[in-house]
Amino acid sequence: NAGVTQTPKFQVLKTGQSMTLQCAQDMNHEYMSWYRQDPGMGLRLIHYSVGAGITDQGEVPNGYNVSRSTTEDFPLRLLSAAPSQTSVYFCASSEPRGVVGKNIQYFGAGTRLSVL
Amino acid sequence: SQQGEEDPQALSIQEGENATMNCSYKTSINNLQWYRQNSGRGLVHLILIRSNEREKHSGRLRVTLDTSKKSSSLLITASRAADTASYFCATDAGLHSGGSNYKLTFGKGTLLTVNP
Repeated sequence: NAGVTQTPKFQVLKTGQSMTLQCAQDMNHEYMSWYRQDPGMGLRLIHYSVGAGITDQGEVPNGYNVSRSTTEDFPLRLLSAAPSQTSVYFCASSEPRGVVGKNIQYFGAGTRLSVL
Repeated sequence: SQQGEEDPQALSIQEGENATMNCSYKTSINNLQWYRQNSGRGLVHLILIRSNEREKHSGRLRVTLDTSKKSSSLLITASRAADTASYFCATDAGLHSGGSNYKLTFGKGTLLTVNP
């Protein structure tokens, strides 16, 4: 069981470039989410999905797109990278609280992105 | 906006000592969770306490919850150098607070350093 897998682990982009951060989970979890982690800011929710075909915005969605065509995959797209998007990005998945009584989130190892 | 706020931001202790971290939050919750993050890694779930519980234990971890004060504490007893990490509280606001069965809101974390 791999859990939550994120690729790539590191990426350097130039301003204006686009890219997709990949996230896959093999636990058949309904809920998937993307966070960014910046020094002194903690984790901030970018986008989330409660199932295939359903996505919604989190706290800081501007400049990012997501889609959820399958239960397993939840890619995050940077449309036109900006230096302000330099951060560490984490993908997480969980079951809904109503199913197992607790919504524990499982995190990937992160993608460290630098935008020059 | 951040729901949980950890205190202190940083804590440095000697091996064998106890470490206490606190978390304050703003709205009613369904449960509160604590996560650990080793440097350069993703977050890992440690313990969950429900809103109707006051104290919970797991190995060397002890969590308390005071819903009247909207606060929680995480105690790590007999700390080890391997406990060096950042610790985050995460709140589940639940459906009655405009939340969901899935979403968690993370605080900014406490950086714990355990010196050998």
